[in-house]
Amino acid sequence: AQTVTQSQPEMSVQEAETVTLSCTYDTSESDYYLFWYKQPPSRQMILVIRQEAYKQQNATENRFSVNFQKAAKSFSLKISDSQLGDAAMYFCAYRRRGRDDKIIFGKGTRLHILP
Amino acid sequence: DADVTQTPRNRITKTGKRIMLECSQTKGHDRMYWYRQDPGLGLQLIYYSFDVKDINKGEISDGYSVSRQAQAKFSLSLESAIPNQTALYFCATSDPGRDTQYFGPGTRLTVL
Repeated sequence: AQTVTQSQPEMSVQEAETVTLSCTYDTSESDYYLFWYKQPPSRQMILVIRQEAYKQQNATENRFSVNFQKAAKSFSLKISDSQLGDAAMYFCAYRRRGRDDKIIFGKGTRLHILP
Repeated sequence: DADVTQTPRNRITKTGKRIMLECSQTKGHDRMYWYRQDPGLGLQLIYYSFDVKDINKGEISDGYSVSRQAQAKFSLSLESAIPNQTALYFCATSDPGRDTQYFGPGTRLTVL
């Protein structure tokens, strides 16, 4: 069964600095998707970034980028120039490509931004 | 206007009561999902539906039932609520073209 592990329950970063959130996953599949979702205090789940496993190039979205290491089954999120609005819970998620498209979530990392 | 809406946003009920949480979407997606979020546990899938006639159990379906009344509507029911069903409940839709799920704002349910 697929699993997603986020080993850092909480992290803190100084405003304007860079922070990396870790995620590892376990799967026997070769074709899948990986996601990072952000959940601010408003509790809305917001898609931050999406990576397709068959693409070698790491996805980027403005200040957010990932380091996707397929062989190591690692999918870390880097946030550059951290802003106060980045404070949130961040969830890593996995979904196998295909009709059976349930998403499996990690337990989350709470990110604090220090002014 | 929000693409995925949930009602109510907050609800307090008593043990043994029947309660329904409703989800509507204007995204035109066929696939809809119900998740439960507990502190420290991430999101767990309760039920999911690929279309009106295709409903499937997720990881934690015991104690819950669903109804897909139309493509745009997917309701979650707790037939007899119990305190350990106190949680944050999310509805989501999926775009098969981009394989991404879009979430509603969540319903915070408290069972006393």
